[in-house]
Amino acid sequence: AQTVTQSQPEMSVQEAETVTLSCTYDTSESDYYLFWYKQPPSRQMILVIRQEAYKQQNATENRFSVNFQKAAKSFSLKISDSQLGDAAMYFCAYRLILTGGGNKLTFGTGTQLKVEL
Amino acid sequence: SQTIHQWPATLVQPVGSPLSLECTVEGTSNPNLYWYRQAAGRGLQLLFYSVGIGQISSEVPQNLSASRPQDRQFILSSKKLLLSDSGFYLCAWSSTSLLRGYTFGSGTRLTVV
Repeated sequence: AQTVTQSQPEMSVQEAETVTLSCTYDTSESDYYLFWYKQPPSRQMILVIRQEAYKQQNATENRFSVNFQKAAKSFSLKISDSQLGDAAMYFCAYRLILTGGGNKLTFGTGTQLKVEL
Repeated sequence: SQTIHQWPATLVQPVGSPLSLECTVEGTSNPNLYWYRQAAGRGLQLLFYSVGIGQISSEVPQNLSASRPQDRQFILSSKKLLLSDSGFYLCAWSSTSLLRGYTFGSGTRLTVV
């Protein structure tokens, strides 16, 4: 079964600095999608960035970028120039195709990011 | 643009009472719909998903059920709530291709007392 592991329950970063959140996954598929979601205190789930496994180029969205290592099954998120508004729980997720049709996102347990002045 | 609405935002229910949480999507047709539960301090667990009207698949055995009476309406129900049903429930939709990931509703915080 596909699993997603986030080994860092909490991380801290100074404002304007860079932080990297780790994520590893286990799969036997060759084509899949990976996502990072942000959940601020409001608990709204917000899509941060996605990566298609067939693309070698790492995805980038403004200050957010990923380091996708397909062979190592690693998908880390880098946040540059951290801002107070980046403080949130971050979830890594893997897209699984369901036998009954549709898709399922399997989530990691999350990393709580604190941003300090 | 597509929007997803989920209500109520907060609910306190006694043990043994029924439950009905509703989720609707606007601006798209034939979405895939999902119900997730998030226990305190933990990740999200998929409860149900639906690829079409009347088509419901359950991921884990539990005290809850789901229905999809209309294309863009997804309902989470229980006949008798248990204390263990407390949690944060999130509805989400995606296109069949999942190119844009999931879009989540704002969630319902359910407390069973």
